Amino acid sequence: EVQLVESGGGLIQPGGSLRLSCTGSGFTFSSNSMHWVRQAPGKGLAWVSYINSDGRSTNYADSVKGRFTISRDNAKNMLYLQMNSLRAEDTAVYYCGTASPGNWGQGTLVTVSS
Amino acid sequence: EIVLTQSPDTLSLSPGEGATLSCRASQSVSNNYLAWYQQKSGQAPRLLIYGASSRATGIPDRFSGSGSGTDFTLTITRLAPEDFAVYYCQQYGTSLTFGGGTKVEIK
Repeated sequence: EVQLVESGGGLIQPGGSLRLSCTGSGFTFSSNSMHWVRQAPGKGLAWVSYINSDGRSTNYADSVKGRFTISRDNAKNMLYLQMNSLRAEDTAVYYCGTASPGNWGQGTLVTVSS
Repeated sequence: EIVLTQSPDTLSLSPGEGATLSCRASQSVSNNYLAWYQQKSGQAPRLLIYGASSRATGIPDRFSGSGSGTDFTLTITRLAPEDFAVYYCQQYGTSLTFGGGTKVEIK
């Protein structure tokens, strides 16, 4: 069974940094492209970032480009999202997921507020 | 970027009634890589349909997906009490995008 567990969320002041982690199990992590998706309170789902299986290709939503960095460690079955220069509008639950539909973690809440 | 537009925003229905949800793409969805999710408050999205029309494991047959190209539909026959939720479409053929959601509420 595919399992994805996000961690690293919390309350952070505007302008601060946070690193989210996602642990994958139950599937061949190193063979799967991965995404980060977020959901602001009371809003819909929004794609944030993508990384291919070997980590050499990445892509970002315009809203986070230049501030967020996605990376992975296939030896540890880990996916990361480094978030810098955080803004109030980055407040959301962040989910990691595989490129194949349907495999999402339970999410981690990031709150950007002073 | 492929933009997905869902309609209607809200459906007010009674248990036992049928529901038809629409998802329109701004350009053709590659390989009909279109999925539907159900989301309840405080929970992660749950996959219902993938590949436009294939039901995910464990999904009741009252849920069905159809469509191709740019126009897709999720049909729920005989709404059960647990089906009242928000539904999202997602295309995964070119990067990843989601529709804005349709809320199915109890009338």
